[in-house]
Amino acid sequence: DQQVKQNSPSLSVQEGRISILNCDYTNSMFDYFLWYKKYPAEGPTFLISISSIKDKNEDGRFTVFLNKSAKHLSLHIVPSQPGDSAVYFCAASAQGTYKYIFGTGTRLKVLA
Amino acid sequence: DGGITQSPKYLFRKEGQNVTLSCEQNLNHDAMYWYRQDPGQGLRLIYYSQIVNDFQKGDIAEGYSVSREKKESFPLTVTSAQKNPTAFYLCASSIQGHQPQHFGDGTRLSIL
Repeated sequence: DQQVKQNSPSLSVQEGRISILNCDYTNSMFDYFLWYKKYPAEGPTFLISISSIKDKNEDGRFTVFLNKSAKHLSLHIVPSQPGDSAVYFCAASAQGTYKYIFGTGTRLKVLA
Repeated sequence: DGGITQSPKYLFRKEGQNVTLSCEQNLNHDAMYWYRQDPGQGLRLIYYSQIVNDFQKGDIAEGYSVSREKKESFPLTVTSAQKNPTAFYLCASSIQGHQPQHFGDGTRLSIL
């Protein structure tokens, strides 16, 4: 049973436009969510996080939105740049645990 | 520069051999993790350690073993009992739970 799902394996966006990456989860105990960016043959790099007490967190071009009732979060990248082309993973964790559950990733391609 | 070092970057194993992957961090983080990534899949947790001399099984611990004798080091042994060891292995650390994880650049293990 996959508790964290990224249903879009890939996404292509024109440079300068908005990229929206989506993530759904099933476990209502999850209360901390993160987004990572990964280039080939490298480890993931932390981008942005959000706690369940918030519904939005912003850091520069990156904004994460959390809809707890729908068990859905999304990452918005505005404006998208060619250097943003990578695989993006969402991850979730429940209070009191050190375990993170990762989604399968979405490959973003930003077209120049 | 603080970070996580995984070595080697590429590793080859003969059938029936055990092999140990190294992970060292100088971030003074308490928690360390091992993940496995297969093509088209997310990161799956093998083992994690919240503190020195303590570790817990993750979701796919069978065929693997770890030790945490020092805060800085969390080596992973892939034993001959692991039937499908070919994968990309990632080590991570965090200050504690519910904090972003920092990842190494991974070790790609292949069977000869």
